[in-house]
Formats: sequence, structure tokens, C-alpha cells
Amino acid sequence: AQTVTQSQPEMSVQEAETVTLSCTYDTSESDYYLFWYKQPPSRQMILVIRQEAYKQQNATENRFSVNFQKAAKSFSLKISDSQLGDAAMYFCAYRSLPNFGNEKLTFGTGTRLTIIP
Amino acid sequence: EAQVTQNPRYLITVTGKKLTVTCSQNMNHEYMSWYRQDPGLGLRQIYYSMNVEVTDKGDVPEGYKVSRKEKRNFPLILESPSPNQTSLYFCASSPREGPNQPQHFGDGTRLSIL
Repeated sequence: AQTVTQSQPEMSVQEAETVTLSCTYDTSESDYYLFWYKQPPSRQMILVIRQEAYKQQNATENRFSVNFQKAAKSFSLKISDSQLGDAAMYFCAYRSLPNFGNEKLTFGTGTRLTIIP
Repeated sequence: EAQVTQNPRYLITVTGKKLTVTCSQNMNHEYMSWYRQDPGLGLRQIYYSMNVEVTDKGDVPEGYKVSRKEKRNFPLILESPSPNQTSLYFCASSPREGPNQPQHFGDGTRLSIL
């Protein structure tokens, strides 16, 4: 079974600075998907960014980018120019390649990000 | 607007009183799933459904039931709730076609079992 580990329960960053959230995972599969979800105080689960394992290029979405190291099984999230609205719990998640079976997301335990004005 | 709707958003109840959390999606998605979120544990899958009348257990199914009689609805049933089922619950859905379809989440249901 796959596991996802987020070793930083809490992080803080000064507004406008850059912060990196860590995520490692364990799998024997060669192809899969990785995601970062944001959960603000409203409790919604908001997809921030996703990465296909077969793509070597790191995904980028505006101020959010990932550093995907497949051999090291590492998938960190970098937030540039941090804004107050980025304050939230961030979850890293893994999903196996769809094969018409369970499309379960396996989540890490989350990192709570605080933005300091 | 494409969405996954859960009801209720909050519920406080007592041990043993049967309850149902409803989940409905308007995107014609085949796949639906329930998760529970607990501090320090992240989200864990309870049950999932690949289509109408097709359901199966996830990682933490004990104490829960589901049904999928219609494509749009996937209710979560707690027949005899206990305090260890106090949690934040999420329903999610996604289409089956396409290799990379993200899951859409509902807004969550906070259950407190006294």
C-alpha cells in the first residue's frame, strides 16, 4: 500500500516571502499522480496543483510550483510571494493510475501554514 | 454550477441514533467516494462507488454503510453511531473517462457523536 508523509505539522512564513512544504511518499508503482490540496478555515478541499509521475517537468500554477524528485519519492510545494489568503492546511496526496478500479486518494497528515503580516 | 453537495454541514447527535449524510453531484460522475478527516491522520477513505449499484470498502469502513441507487447520490449511513465516529466527513466525485480527472469535493460535514 502507498503511504504519504508530511513531516512538517506547522510552518510559518512572512508575507511576500517564499515557503516550501515537504512531502515524501512510498510506492512500488511506476506511474501515478501526485496532488497538493489546500484546506482554508472554510474546510473546502481546493486542488492547488497536480503532477503526473511520467512527466519530468515540474508542474507550475501561478505562484505555486512543485519540485518532483521521482527517484527520491519527494514532492515538495513551493509558494512564492506568500499572501494572507494562502494561510491554510495543505495536504499532499497520491493516486494510482486509473485502471477502472478504486481511484482513492492517499493523503498525508497535512501541514498548517501561517502567513505573518 | 458544477458541485458536490453534502447535507447537513453540521450535526450533533447521540450514540446509537441512526443518521444519514447525503451527497449529491450534478456532473454525471461515475465515481464517488467518502472520506473522513481526523487531526494528525489526514483524510482516509471510508467507501467508494464506481457506478450505480457498485460499491466497495475503503480503508476505514467499520460502522458505516453506503448505497448507490442513482448516479447522482451516494449517502453515508451510520446505523448506530459511536463517539469514535466524531469527525469531519467529505464526499468526492470524479468522471471515469480521461487519465487525469481531479476529484471534486463537497464542503464537508462536521459530525459530533455524544
